[in-house]
Amino acid sequence: DGGITQSPKYLFRKEGQNVTLSCEQNLNHDAMYWYRQDPGQGLRLIYYSQIVNDFQKGDIAEGYSVSREKKESFPLTVTSAQKNPTAFYLCASSIEGQGIYNSPLHFGNGTRLTVT
Amino acid sequence: AQSVAQPEDQVNVAEGNPLTVKCTYSVSGNPYLFWYVQYPNRGLQFLLKYITGDNLVKGSYGFEAEFNKSQTSFHLKKPSALVSDSALYFCAVQGSSASKIIFGSGTRLSIRP
Repeated sequence: DGGITQSPKYLFRKEGQNVTLSCEQNLNHDAMYWYRQDPGQGLRLIYYSQIVNDFQKGDIAEGYSVSREKKESFPLTVTSAQKNPTAFYLCASSIEGQGIYNSPLHFGNGTRLTVT
Repeated sequence: AQSVAQPEDQVNVAEGNPLTVKCTYSVSGNPYLFWYVQYPNRGLQFLLKYITGDNLVKGSYGFEAEFNKSQTSFHLKKPSALVSDSALYFCAVQGSSASKIIFGSGTRLSIRP
């Protein structure tokens, strides 16, 4: 089955440590996204990538970094500069051919990061 | 600037009754509108979308949504609720083909047996 795999499901880190969240898709989608979900705030866009080796900042990119070396993979690094990193992180992808702006997003099952 | 509002944090409905989850939006130009559902500790699943055409859009699991341009609303509806419909529902809007998708804050739907 095609889909998006995020790993790990739960992640615990000490404050001051960088941590990388994995996102892999086998849907052959060109566009990939990272969202952060906090209770009562909906989803906020961290970074997105429309094509390999290219990515753009979203609304809350500070303290995060990404790479897009392969079409299938879009890892997110939460750096020590992110002041409130504890959250549920969701990766998504969409079909570029239909236009990344009105085709539905396909989501992974998320990674819950806890930083203490 | 585009925005989307879900005015109800929680909606409670008895099983078998009709349900409505409200969504209003603000965009310049024609909107692209979406509904997603999220079950606990899972990602969001696409339910339906409005791009153009008929104002009543039918989607997955018996859900439908009605686009109302004059009221700038896109309410999610289902004629007969199931306990399994209990989840968190998100409305999303995109103002044009060149703008990002904006999500509402979510509405928790609870269906009691």
